[in-house]
Amino acid sequence: EDQVTQSPEALRLQEGESSSLNCSYTVSGLRGLFWYRQDPGKGPEFLFTLYSAGEEKEKERLKATLTKKESFLHITAPKPEDSATYLCAVQIKAAGNKLTFGGGTRVLVKP
Amino acid sequence: NAGVTQTPKFRVLKTGQSMTLLCAQDMNHEYMYWYRQDPGMGLRLIHYSVGEGTTAKGEVPDGYNVSRLKKQNFLLGLESAAPSQTSVYFCASREPGNTIYFGEGSWLTVV
Repeated sequence: EDQVTQSPEALRLQEGESSSLNCSYTVSGLRGLFWYRQDPGKGPEFLFTLYSAGEEKEKERLKATLTKKESFLHITAPKPEDSATYLCAVQIKAAGNKLTFGGGTRVLVKP
Repeated sequence: NAGVTQTPKFRVLKTGQSMTLLCAQDMNHEYMYWYRQDPGMGLRLIHYSVGEGTTAKGEVPDGYNVSRLKKQNFLLGLESAAPSQTSVYFCASREPGNTIYFGEGSWLTVV
């Protein structure tokens, strides 16, 4: 059965304190790994897609990396506006290319 | 959340009532999805469609029906609402480049 596990469940950071979020997965036939940001009361907002081990993508203070078993979302020098829940999802090569999500990591950045 | 619109945004139903959630996308995407999001459970796929006139079951399809009569619309129906269907519902569509975009969500409470 496809599984996606995110850790930690919650993360409290001081502004400027860099950290990493983990997404570990066990799937057969990975097509892609997605990262989304979700603000309270909103839908998930697309951040990155990673397709192969060793791939990295960056956007402002966020950097996503992928290995064969896990992905990391690095937040460098975070600001309060980076506070959100970050969702990881895997897409498999079947079943309509659906996404299977992890439980998310709630990030709070304090000024 | 580009181009995916959900209606209504909020609804309160009594147990046993029926209702339909409407998802509309203006991006000409073939694939569309309905997810529900519950605390501690993450996002789970209810039903999906790979094109006009097609539907398929996801992880948690029981108690829901869907229809895709027009390419731009994907309807989610509850024939006899139950308190267990209290949730936030998200519609999504997938572009040919594989990115999946989500709507803003529909908050449903069944009392």
